[in-house]
Amino acid sequence: GAVVSQHPSWVICKSGTSVKIECRSLDFQATTMFWYRQFPKQSLMLMATSNEGSKATYEQGVEKDKFLINHASLTLSTLTVTSAHPEDSSFYICSASHPRGGNQPQHFGDGTRLSIL
Amino acid sequence: GEDVEQSLFLSVREGDSSVINCTYTDSSSTYLYWYKQEPGAGLQLLTYIFSNMDMKQDQRLTVLLNKKDKHLSLRIADTQTGDSAIYFCAEGTASNDYKLSFGAGTTVTVRA
Repeated sequence: GAVVSQHPSWVICKSGTSVKIECRSLDFQATTMFWYRQFPKQSLMLMATSNEGSKATYEQGVEKDKFLINHASLTLSTLTVTSAHPEDSSFYICSASHPRGGNQPQHFGDGTRLSIL
Repeated sequence: GEDVEQSLFLSVREGDSSVINCTYTDSSSTYLYWYKQEPGAGLQLLTYIFSNMDMKQDQRLTVLLNKKDKHLSLRIADTQTGDSAIYFCAEGTASNDYKLSFGAGTTVTVRA
C-alpha cells in the first residue's frame, strides 16, 4: 500500500525556535499533500493544502507566515513552524494522495509531536 | 457544507462484532472513509466507499451506506484487542475539492 513518511516523529525545542517537519511519499508521486493539526483527544483540523510547484492554500484562521509550507517535488512537502511558541505545541500530521485524477484516498504519515518549552 | 458526526465511545467484548456509526450531511458526489488511529500514531486508511455504493466488504470489515439517511457504518467482525483504537469517519466531496471533513472519532475499547 501507499506509504507516507513523516520526520521527525517527535521534537522538543525552546520558544522562538523554527522547526521544520518533512512529509515524504515513499512509493508514489503526490501532487497534493495536506497538513493537519490534532489537539489531544480531538479530531484532525486541516491547516493547508500543498500542491507541487505552487503556493499552498491555507484554511481560514491559519497564519501563512507562521506555518510555511513548501512542496518542491512530487514526493516531498515541508512544514516549517516559524518562531514557535508553547501554543504551537501539538501533533502535526501530513497526508498525500495519488495524482491519478479525480478523488483518491489520502494516506497519512505517522505524525510529529511538537513540544515547545 | 460538511458536518460529520459519530458516537464517541464503544466498548466491545473480544470476539464480538463492533459497529461504529457515522452520519454526514453533504449529498453531492461524496467519498466516505474510515481511518484508524492508534495512540501516538498517524491515521491508517481502513476502507472507503463512494456514495453510489451500498456496501463494501474487505475481510473483517464491512461498510454499509444508507444514502437516504446519510448514515455510514463500519462493522468489524471478530473484534480483537488489536482493534482497540480511535476510528474516524471522514467525508470528501467534489464541491470541496475532496478535502476531508472528519468526525470527532469513536474510541473503541476491546475487553477480554
